[in-house]
Amino acid sequence: SQTIHQWPATLVQPVGSPLSLECTVEGTSNPNLYWYRQAAGRGLQLLFYSVGIGQISSEVPQNLSASRPQDRQFILSSKKLLLSDSGFYLCAWSGLGRLAADTQYFGPGTRLTVL
Amino acid sequence: AQTVTQSQPEMSVQEAETVTLSCTYDTSESDYYLFWYKQPPSRQMILVIRQEAYKQQNATENRFSVNFQKAAKSFSLKISDSQLGDAAMYFCAYRSGRDDKIIFGKGTRLHILP
Repeated sequence: SQTIHQWPATLVQPVGSPLSLECTVEGTSNPNLYWYRQAAGRGLQLLFYSVGIGQISSEVPQNLSASRPQDRQFILSSKKLLLSDSGFYLCAWSGLGRLAADTQYFGPGTRLTVL
Repeated sequence: AQTVTQSQPEMSVQEAETVTLSCTYDTSESDYYLFWYKQPPSRQMILVIRQEAYKQQNATENRFSVNFQKAAKSFSLKISDSQLGDAAMYFCAYRSGRDDKIIFGKGTRLHILP
């Protein structure tokens, strides 16, 4: 079966510091991968998605970036965090899985607080 | 552009009763998918139910069922025999048949009253 992991679970960082959030998927190959952000009390905003290694599409211009160094690894980064980067970050995958390729499955998320 | 609207920010239901969460969407496409996701206090997004637009039959998963009205662009979620564990934020979501991006509604917070 497929599983998706995210770490860290919680992170508190000062403004201006770098960021690296990691997402890995097990039990499938060549998944589509997604990064979402959810601000407090709000819906999900798609940040990046990837259909393959090295292929990243950005949905929202900002100081975040994403990379996919391996087939099942997706990394969200920033060189300098802003206060507005605080939120809950969710990674998701879709592809060959339990239901169908059209369905996205989410990881447990990372709660980021920028002070 | 496609949009998803959940008009009920919050709802409450008595334990063991039935509740219906509303969702409408706007699209000019004929091929698409609709989903309901649940986000409990842990904040992990959990797939509740999925509907393919070309299927007229409403999807059902145990106590969860949908009322899919394609002409009206409505996709409501019915939860039968509500349980305390159903308390969560529920998101309606739309995915075009042409790409992989999902559009989420703003969510409905469901409270279960014991």
